[in-house]
Amino acid sequence: DAKTTQPPSMDCAEGRAANLPCNHSTISGNEYVYWYRQIHSQGPQYIIHGLKNNETNEMASLIITEDRKSSTLILPHATLRDTAVYYCIVSPEGGASKLTFGTGTRLQVTL
Amino acid sequence: EPEVTQTPSHQVTQMGQEVILRCVPISNHLYFYWYRQILGQKVEFLVSFYNNEISEKSEIFDDQFSVERPDGSNFTLKIRSTKLEDSAMYFCASRWGAGNTIYFGEGSWLTVV
Repeated sequence: DAKTTQPPSMDCAEGRAANLPCNHSTISGNEYVYWYRQIHSQGPQYIIHGLKNNETNEMASLIITEDRKSSTLILPHATLRDTAVYYCIVSPEGGASKLTFGTGTRLQVTL
Repeated sequence: EPEVTQTPSHQVTQMGQEVILRCVPISNHLYFYWYRQILGQKVEFLVSFYNNEISEKSEIFDDQFSVERPDGSNFTLKIRSTKLEDSAMYFCASRWGAGNTIYFGEGSWLTVV
């Protein structure tokens, strides 16, 4: 699996957009970019994923650069409940592909 | 919304005892996983399971560990003789098909004393 690089921590004011970057310069053509988050010690929660096009759902937007070497997860209006560790993971489609978690970005949303 | 459910939420066991952690994956999902997270550390892959057999396992998943899908709905992780270092949160996960999103349960916290 390709490796990802994320900043260890970020702060964001409540109500503002949180932009979480991820570098995945060695991503392969068949690998998707997945974002999960873990609130305290709960199970990882799926947020969004994409291959090369930008994606948006009710939780977040995912912006993937044209060369696919980096991406940004955007939480448009962060709330205190968005405080969590956010993981950017690249994984191929097919088979019983597992997710390999790194250390992620600890996002602290403050008043 | 369908979810992966795990039991027990917390178990305390004596070193050397056998432990079984249970999971009910999302209905109709075909791929099943166990992960663990030692306190303060990364979420680590243990094993993946498909078509009633192990697809992949990590080096953590040694002979002390086994998995089973006994009745078509439950997916279990057995640790035969627990060690102190097995203390961790264990997450079950499932996925419908290859390439689809993996969904995680809330975890079973295992404390070995």
